[in-house]
Amino acid sequence: GAGVSQSPRYKVAKRGQDVALRCDPISGHVSLFWYQQALGQGPEFLTYFQNEAQLDKSGLPSDRFFAERPEGSVSTLKIQRTQQEDSAVYLCASSLTAVYNEQFFGPGTRLTVL
Amino acid sequence: KNQVEQSPQSLIILEGKNCTLQCNYTVSPFSNLRWYKQDTGRGPVSLTIMTFSENTKSNGRYTATLDADTKQSSLHITASQLSDSASYICVVSADTGGFKTIFGAGTRLFVKA
Repeated sequence: GAGVSQSPRYKVAKRGQDVALRCDPISGHVSLFWYQQALGQGPEFLTYFQNEAQLDKSGLPSDRFFAERPEGSVSTLKIQRTQQEDSAVYLCASSLTAVYNEQFFGPGTRLTVL
Repeated sequence: KNQVEQSPQSLIILEGKNCTLQCNYTVSPFSNLRWYKQDTGRGPVSLTIMTFSENTKSNGRYTATLDADTKQSSLHITASQLSDSASYICVVSADTGGFKTIFGAGTRLFVKA
């Protein structure tokens, strides 16, 4: 596609619900990143894939957060038993090859946990 | 601790004026530094990227500078336009063999007519 797309754009969940956020990277991009952005703050790294391999998940805040990219293209970030502190914008980015190439960001998914 | 500090937190300027945003970092060992522009409700878009050996990089009305000795960078915006109103985020990557990228909190720029 022309750019990174994410869905849904907005998600409202009740505390305790599970949510799944989808990212479609730019076709052919090897690296894929997930970030969490709180209101008024810069993005914070969550996890990183190279193709289907999750090479770094050190930024995931708890074991309630899980990400996958089974075929090396589309990725899903799943949050189990959502808490109010999970409310944030979740950004996905992809880059062509090496981890330090320019990252192209999607529009983000704004998650609100009530 | 790897950190990226940006100043000012927010800035209001009149259309047509110039401004300079600052970024100080302690990320080590240094790999590269990027400036991103993030419009409200959108993902960040890359403006410039600089490696250790580069001390200035321009992209239209945006000029970034890097002083790797003092670990400081600046983003200068010339002849501001209303469309420049956005958050500007400084991002520093470390060359650790793995992935270590630290985002600053951003400077929120408001350009008024």
